[in-house]
Amino acid sequence: DAKTTQPPSMDCAEGRAANLPCNHSTISGNEYVYWYRQIHSQGPQYIIHGLKNNETNEMASLIITEDRKSSTLILPHATLRDTAVYYCIVKGNTNAGKSTFGDGTTLTVKP
Amino acid sequence: SAVISQKPSRDICQRGTSLTIQCQVDSQVTMMFWYRQQPGQSLTLIATANQGSEATYESGFVIDKFPISRPNLTFSTLTVSNMSPEDSSIYLCSVAGGVVRGEQYFGPGTRLTVT
Repeated sequence: DAKTTQPPSMDCAEGRAANLPCNHSTISGNEYVYWYRQIHSQGPQYIIHGLKNNETNEMASLIITEDRKSSTLILPHATLRDTAVYYCIVKGNTNAGKSTFGDGTTLTVKP
Repeated sequence: SAVISQKPSRDICQRGTSLTIQCQVDSQVTMMFWYRQQPGQSLTLIATANQGSEATYESGFVIDKFPISRPNLTFSTLTVSNMSPEDSSIYLCSVAGGVVRGEQYFGPGTRLTVT
């Protein structure tokens, strides 16, 4: 699986959009970008994933660059409950594949 | 989505003893994973457990220290053997699959403290 690079921490004001970047320059053609988050003292939670098109669901939007070497997770209106560690993971989209977690980004939403 | 429960939720154990952590899933799943999360760190995969076969361990983890059982498609156990304070971590069970291909679901974790 390709390695990912994320900033260690970010702050965001409550109600504003949080934009979390991820670099994955060695991503291969059949690998997807998955995002998870881990709220303190809980297990990680799936947020969204994509291959090359932008994706949106009820939690977030995922923007993947045309060359697929980086992506951005967007939380459109961050709330205090979005404070968590966000992990960007690159892997094939089979159920046989394990997820390898990097260090992630600690997002702190401030009032 | 799969609902995963773990027992115990937390425990404090003495050095040299062993603890078995249980993971129960509300649906049948082929692949289960066990992760460790040391204090302030990210998740590290210990092993992958498929029903009916031996678990596959990641580099740095061995069966003698972390024996795993997978008796059926909804249950697994991880034993942390001959514990030392360095084993103090959160241990998380995870399963693959669901509506989203490649997605993993995680249990709430077992917080282990070794004294």
